[in-house]
Amino acid sequence: AQKITQTQPGMFVQEKEAVTLDCTYDTSDPSYGLFWYKQPSSGEMIFLIYQGSYDQQNATEGRYSLNFQKARKSANLVISASQLGDSAMYFCAMREGQTGANNLFFGTGTRLTVIP
Amino acid sequence: GAGVSQSPSNKVTEKGKDVELRCDPISGHTALYWYRQSLGQGLEFLIYFQGNSAPDKSGLPSDRFSAERTGGSVSTLTIQRTQQEDSAVYLCASSFPSGGFQETQYFGPGTRLLVL
Repeated sequence: AQKITQTQPGMFVQEKEAVTLDCTYDTSDPSYGLFWYKQPSSGEMIFLIYQGSYDQQNATEGRYSLNFQKARKSANLVISASQLGDSAMYFCAMREGQTGANNLFFGTGTRLTVIP
Repeated sequence: GAGVSQSPSNKVTEKGKDVELRCDPISGHTALYWYRQSLGQGLEFLIYFQGNSAPDKSGLPSDRFSAERTGGSVSTLTIQRTQQEDSAVYLCASSFPSGGFQETQYFGPGTRLLVL
């Protein structure tokens, strides 16, 4: 079973509007961390935001916020006031705390295009 | 400070040849990861190094793949007898251990490998 599911292969948003990128996860580990990365056409993975499974509040970093719904096992990324430079691939990832796995599990990504 | 660096940026090789990919992590980061990203896919974990501990090789796809980390810093990923299916972007990441699932991994720009 996929640990991270991103169901939106591509999304479009008008410049200055907000957009939500969906991510659901699957784990039985009570301790886990959820991450979002941005990958522009240059290829580098840029860390955006982190949410821990025990965090009571949704994470925010500037224009990025994470809508964490633990019971639904979803961790959607919200980008407010979209800019042309936000056009990129966005990946949701998870690291489990107790299974012994050291790596991040990634989804297949969502390509966001910001329209002027 | 300087981020994760990787070399070469691009590598074209012939089927059956060996290749070496290099990663220089962020100074002070003791954890180092290699991932592979095939065209249009998410990232696939390959191998993990942490300090002087034995590496976690659970993600290596075959015995043609190996990696070493000298002096706890620079790492080299070696692919022997390359096959066309090895064509992908190879990404390296490093992190400073903060305790399990909370660690944030920082990625390099990747090496684009094309096997003809």
